[in-house]
Amino acid sequence: GAVVSQHPSWVICKSGTSVKIECRSLDFQATTMFWYRQFPKKSLMLMATSNEGSKATYEQGVEKDKFLINHASLTLSTLTVTSAHPEDSSFYICSARDPYSTYEQYFGPGTRLTVT
Amino acid sequence: AQSVTQPDIHITVSEGASLELRCNYSYGATPYLFWYVQSPGQGLQLLLKYFSGDTLVQGIKGFEAEFKRSQSSFNLRKPSVHWSDAAEYFCAVGAESGNTPLVFGKGTRLSVIA
Repeated sequence: GAVVSQHPSWVICKSGTSVKIECRSLDFQATTMFWYRQFPKKSLMLMATSNEGSKATYEQGVEKDKFLINHASLTLSTLTVTSAHPEDSSFYICSARDPYSTYEQYFGPGTRLTVT
Repeated sequence: AQSVTQPDIHITVSEGASLELRCNYSYGATPYLFWYVQSPGQGLQLLLKYFSGDTLVQGIKGFEAEFKRSQSSFNLRKPSVHWSDAAEYFCAVGAESGNTPLVFGKGTRLSVIA
């Protein structure tokens, strides 16, 4: 099946710094990617929909200036957490849809962000 | 709008016993339904999916799920649980549109006891 990778798998940063997380579709082109956030022992919460070549669509309550999403190519979307704070610590998961596949989303392995 | 309800937050079963995890969905059109499993600190693994056709779907690791339109349900079952099945299980619903993300239930945590 299709593979989606994320980098890094985990990252620790200090408050006030910015962190970039990459999401890549390895063997297919994804015009649409999704970013989810998962708190400990909670479900996945959709943050935004990333569209290649256009602005991301953010869910209500998600700060677009804090969580910058860039989908510059058909295989790469990035999420940058700007001016990170401890409450931004979470598990971030991306997913991508193969437009030629059967309605399935392929999930990356996730990135564990810890802000100290 | 789509929504998914997993009524059971936590279930404990004995190893070797049968398992059924409940999932109810709300969606106005034909739903595309998924079950994922997540071990602690890990990403999601797809267990099975339903798009159309036979309403009983077989998945990996001996899991199966049955789509019941009349009950808006997509319950996950396994005849004999193994200790390694202990994990968090998520039901999700999606749509045909490529720009529509999956909507997840809150998850059911499965514990397996000897």
